[in-house]
Amino acid sequence: QVQLQESGSGLLKTSQTLSLTCTVSGGYVNSDSYSWSWSWIRQPPGKGLEWIGHIDRGDNDYSNPSLESRATILADRSKNQFSLKLYSVTAADTAVYFCARVSGGPFYGHFDPWGQGILVTVSS
Amino acid sequence: QSVLTQPPSVSGAPGQRVIISCSGSSSNIGAGSDVHWYQQLPGKAPRVVIYDNDNRPSGVPDRFSGSKSGTSATLAITGLQAEDEADYYCQSYDSSLSVVIFGGGTKLTVL
Repeated sequence: QVQLQESGSGLLKTSQTLSLTCTVSGGYVNSDSYSWSWSWIRQPPGKGLEWIGHIDRGDNDYSNPSLESRATILADRSKNQFSLKLYSVTAADTAVYFCARVSGGPFYGHFDPWGQGILVTVSS
Repeated sequence: QSVLTQPPSVSGAPGQRVIISCSGSSSNIGAGSDVHWYQQLPGKAPRVVIYDNDNRPSGVPDRFSGSKSGTSATLAITGLQAEDEADYYCQSYDSSLSVVIFGGGTKLTVL
């Protein structure tokens, strides 16, 4: 059974770079890492879910236009990890950040499973 | 304001049936994009309860069902139980915006 775990810095100051890693474990790890697309999703405190972006099997990354090109998603499939970098953060980027596997097409598919999430707080 | 519109809250007594709607447009649900539904318990990560409009993952009770018609989709929960109290989100893809979209979420209260 595949499991995902987020890790990274939980407290940032305005204008810094958010850096998170998602580690995939369990199941057929190697095939899972290379065969699937992987995504990042966030949830501001008390609010709904927002898709940040994903990296597909060809290592092409796509991000939400609302982030104005501040997000980059990379994969190190040999380590069963993929990462998120979000540049020039502001208080509006304070949220719980989830990583998830994309089942089905990268844009049309659903997210399953999810990591437990990591709270990132941006302060001035 | 979300591209997919859900009611902020619904409620029902144990054993009853509730429906949560997800209203979209011709550039997402109406364009043929699949709809997926997630359940999020307090302090937990979301988990999928319906995928590809009307498919239920293994382990999800058959009390949960989904449907899609035109520019809208619905999640139905029958035989309501206290453990169903959670936030529910629909998800789809908008081809005009080129973005994966979520509904604003619906809080289900079991009375």
